[in-house]
Amino acid sequence: KQEVTQIPAALSVPEGENLVLNCSFTDSAIYNLQWFRQDPGKGLTSLLLIQSSQREQTSGRLNASLDKSSGRSTLYIAASQPGDSATYLCAVTNQAGTALIFGKGTTLSVSS
Amino acid sequence: NAGVMQNPRHLVRRRGQEARLRCSPMKGHSHVYWYRQLPEEGLKFMVYLQKENIIDESGMPKERFSAEFPKEGPSILRIQQVVRGDSAAYFCASSSDSSQPQHFGDGTRLSIL
Repeated sequence: KQEVTQIPAALSVPEGENLVLNCSFTDSAIYNLQWFRQDPGKGLTSLLLIQSSQREQTSGRLNASLDKSSGRSTLYIAASQPGDSATYLCAVTNQAGTALIFGKGTTLSVSS
Repeated sequence: NAGVMQNPRHLVRRRGQEARLRCSPMKGHSHVYWYRQLPEEGLKFMVYLQKENIIDESGMPKERFSAEFPKEGPSILRIQQVVRGDSAAYFCASSSDSSQPQHFGDGTRLSIL
């Protein structure tokens, strides 16, 4: 059974810092991996999607990597801003491509 | 707004009543997914539908829960005879096909009195 774990559960950093969020999964047979952002009381915003054949994706200040063999992904956020404060969720798509399996998230707080 | 639309945003029901949650996918999307987020827990997959067909319902409780995505109109998640444990945020997502990113709505917060 696929399990997704995110570490740390919470993180507080001052504005301007670079930071890394970690995600690990137990079954390497994934279809793809997606990083989301969730603001309080809101839905999820897709940040980056990495297909199983890819190693990384970049969008602006965000960079996500995928190492399928070790069952790990990282989300790198450069030059963090207070507006980055949110919960970041990692999810893998099962091999059938029918369902996302989520971690419990990392809640990020960036202080000005 | 071309995003995934869910309504209502908040729904309050008494134990034993029925809850109906609606989801209109993004324009051009024919794949719909329902997820549930219980307090202090992560999002859990419930069901995946394409127009008029249930593709994967492995995450849906066997009793009281049902989902549909008719040819015309929104997808509906129906919970019969609700209990306190059904209180959660229910999210709908849609995609153009299963290899593409899933786009989420803002969810329906269901509270059971």
